[in-house]
Amino acid sequence: KNQVEQSPQSLIILEGKNCTLQCNYTVSPFSNLRWYKQDTGRGPVSLTIMTFSENTKSNGRYTATLDADTKQSSLHITASQLSDSASYICVVSGNSGGGADGLTFGKGTHLIIQP
Amino acid sequence: KAGVTQTPRYLIKTRGQQVTLSCSPISGHRSVSWYQQTPGQGLQFLFEYFSETQRNKGNFPGRFSGRQFSNSRSEMNVSTLELGDSALYLCASSPPGLARYNEQFFGPGTRLTVL
Repeated sequence: KNQVEQSPQSLIILEGKNCTLQCNYTVSPFSNLRWYKQDTGRGPVSLTIMTFSENTKSNGRYTATLDADTKQSSLHITASQLSDSASYICVVSGNSGGGADGLTFGKGTHLIIQP
Repeated sequence: KAGVTQTPRYLIKTRGQQVTLSCSPISGHRSVSWYQQTPGQGLQFLFEYFSETQRNKGNFPGRFSGRQFSNSRSEMNVSTLELGDSALYLCASSPPGLARYNEQFFGPGTRLTVL
């Protein structure tokens, strides 16, 4: 069964600090992996998307890495800001013809930035 | 370009009632997917529509149904509501192009509370 596990479940850090969120997956075959940011009461917004051949992808202060051999990904947030407080969701897509049923969602990491 | 819109944003119903949620995709997007999001389960795929046809369906009971209109707007209906149906219902649309990337653009969601 395809699964995406995220850790930690929740994290509290001080403003200005860095943090790293983890995503382990057992989806096979693999097409791509994406990270979403979801603010409270809002829909998820895409941060990065990586295919099998990409190891790193950056979007401002967000840097995602992918190790397709170990089936692990991480999202690193640099110099955190209060606006980074949100849930971060890892989503893995298998080769199912591109349909939404081929997406496996993690349950997310709830990040709180304290001033 | 306007984003995905969902109406209503909030809804309170009682057990046994039915509800209809509406989603307008980004202009030019023909694929619309629906998800249920709860704190314990994360995002779970309900169904996907493309050109007025249901392309994929998740593992939900027949009380959950949907449809898509010729202008790509979509509705989902839940009949005989149960307490466990309380959740955030998210709609996402996908642009045409490389299907395997299946980029999902989410709306703000409809928060359904069943009393």
